[in-house]
Amino acid sequence: SQQGEEDPQALSIQEGENATMNCSYKTSINNLQWYRQNSGRGLVHLILIRSNEREKHSGRLRVTLDTSKKSSSLLITASRAADTASYFCATDDEDTDKLIFGTGTRLQVFP
Amino acid sequence: DGGITQSPKYLFRKEGQNVTLSCEQNLNHDAMYWYRQDPGQGLRLIYYSQIVNDFQKGDIAEGYSVSREKKESFPLTVTSAQKNPTAFYLCASSIVGTGKAFFGQGTRLTVV
Repeated sequence: SQQGEEDPQALSIQEGENATMNCSYKTSINNLQWYRQNSGRGLVHLILIRSNEREKHSGRLRVTLDTSKKSSSLLITASRAADTASYFCATDDEDTDKLIFGTGTRLQVFP
Repeated sequence: DGGITQSPKYLFRKEGQNVTLSCEQNLNHDAMYWYRQDPGQGLRLIYYSQIVNDFQKGDIAEGYSVSREKKESFPLTVTSAQKNPTAFYLCASSIVGTGKAFFGQGTRLTVV
């Protein structure tokens, strides 16, 4: 399987704390993206980082990409209870243009 | 409103029956995807299509079939050959080369 992996599988924090999730992937990529999924719903795109970028910010989100290690991290700063969801990384394969998702991190933010 | 629509939201079928899940988009996207999600798991790619009348197998295509006769539509048929079809099915579309995908709200299929 080409599916990437994320860790941790689950993360519980208090409101106001930062949450960090990591993603590893297997193939050469055009870009890497992070998505959010509320329980039982579709996924919503959060942020995209291209293979020639190392860091990107969007509001309270910070994404890093290390193509030499085939890994990425998503940092959510000053978390809120509304951030409770599952977060997935996805890679756009350089050769096939397949969009391959990781296994996801379930984030619980307690008020 | 522009978007991607999956129907129905819930589907129940008897074992051994084929069932077709609908996915329609009005975003003018060339690429469309079908994923399967099992409880507490990530998304696994079933089929994808980058252009009308062409599609490729993903990681778990066995027991599934698709068609892409129109740009807007990418229906998925779950056949009786699929050993464990009960799952949450997600359809997505994107502009080829941009990566950013837009998802439907999913169809939860239960086979009894």
